[in-house]
Amino acid sequence: EAGVVQSPRYKIIEKKQPVAFWCNPISGHNTLYWYLQNLGQGPELLIRYENEEAVDDSQLPKDRFSAERLKGVDSTLKIQPAELGDSAVYLCASSSLGPEQQYFGPGTRLTVL
Amino acid sequence: AQTVTQSQPEMSVQEAETVTLSCTYDTSESDYYLFWYKQPPSRQMILVIRQEAYKQQNATENRFSVNFQKAAKSFSLKISDSQLGDAAMYFCAYRSAVDSSYKLIFGSGTRLLVRP
Repeated sequence: EAGVVQSPRYKIIEKKQPVAFWCNPISGHNTLYWYLQNLGQGPELLIRYENEEAVDDSQLPKDRFSAERLKGVDSTLKIQPAELGDSAVYLCASSSLGPEQQYFGPGTRLTVL
Repeated sequence: AQTVTQSQPEMSVQEAETVTLSCTYDTSESDYYLFWYKQPPSRQMILVIRQEAYKQQNATENRFSVNFQKAAKSFSLKISDSQLGDAAMYFCAYRSAVDSSYKLIFGSGTRLLVRP
């Protein structure tokens, strides 16, 4: 069974540019999470989807961050415009239903210059 | 709000020896889950072990075991017979069993070095 897939693995952009990250969860997993991991810290939840509905986006900075999960499968996280402080690892995770074990992808390391 | 604290930024262990990583947490809830995740340089978080707060028995998974002290709000991870492949960042995490957010709250991590 394929795990959570994320792309790209690395992204380097200049500040004020837009950037997008893509996540494909494990097949059949209804719940999808995006986490932000700053250097030297543990991940922090940005947004959680149940199928195509964002049920917890309280930690998502909505002025520059947006996310979507069309058709309840793949998800995209976007930053526009990126700032220097957005340099971090963005992790995607999925679970079969709500509180079941979360499986993580390899993350996207973003560097904003 | 719940918090998770890992007070050891880095630990070192000799191959084949035993090491214990510490974790404390703060919560007013009585029902919750605790986890230890391993994050190697590949960055993929891998679940090592899980403990339900209502269970008094400490969880074990092969060479990995926990010491869960609910009253003290302590949740340490013991790795026996350490192997070179155990070298990674280890994160302790909390998840409420009553809050429907299913959010994992992580500590800041402990880097484990394994000396050959």
